Amino acid sequence: LAKTTQPISMDSYEGQEVNITCSHNNIATNDYITWYQQFPSQGPRFIIQGYKTKVTNEVASLFIPADRKSSTLSLPRVSLSDTAVYYCLVGDIRESSASKIIFGSGTRLSIRP
Amino acid sequence: NAGVMQNPRHLVRRRGQEARLRCSPMKGHSHVYWYRQLPEEGLKFMVYLQKENIIDESGMPKERFSAEFPKEGPSILRIQQVVRGDSAAYFCASSVGNAGPTDTQYFGPGTRLTVL
Repeated sequence: LAKTTQPISMDSYEGQEVNITCSHNNIATNDYITWYQQFPSQGPRFIIQGYKTKVTNEVASLFIPADRKSSTLSLPRVSLSDTAVYYCLVGDIRESSASKIIFGSGTRLSIRP
Repeated sequence: NAGVMQNPRHLVRRRGQEARLRCSPMKGHSHVYWYRQLPEEGLKFMVYLQKENIIDESGMPKERFSAEFPKEGPSILRIQQVVRGDSAAYFCASSVGNAGPTDTQYFGPGTRLTVL
């Protein structure tokens, strides 16, 4: 069971790059790393997923070092609308492992003007 | 392509009543997951279903809670004889179900249950 550790909260300003790091020391060989974003009163929204090295999409980048014991979600040039809770999940989303995907408390990101 | 649909969005019940929460997965998705979220907390896994089959219900309370995903129609999470502690947001997610490690879950807007 790969437990994750993230900062409880972070603050930043509009236009800055924000990096949120997640520790997952017990990550297993088959585990992928997935990040979700959740706004108040809404369901989580998939942001990005990766296994190793670097993944980039139109929203964010995900950096995963060679040992895979941590990962960093990078949000370029944040805006006020990026204020949300960000969850790091580690797991192997197969039939027998659905219950092992753990949503922790997440990181509450606050963006200021 | 419509996303995951949940209804009702808000549900108020008195103690002892039954609550029925519905979830329609995204088109083409055959796997459904239910989660519960208390204020200021992360989501807690409850149950994982395929059509007409419960795959994993290890997160479901042993009593009063049940879930189904029939061949036709939405998935239903049913809570009998609700108590105040059942008040929470209940989220449904769906996935394609390709049984691979990248089978991403897509979430609905949630149902906020309030028990008076």
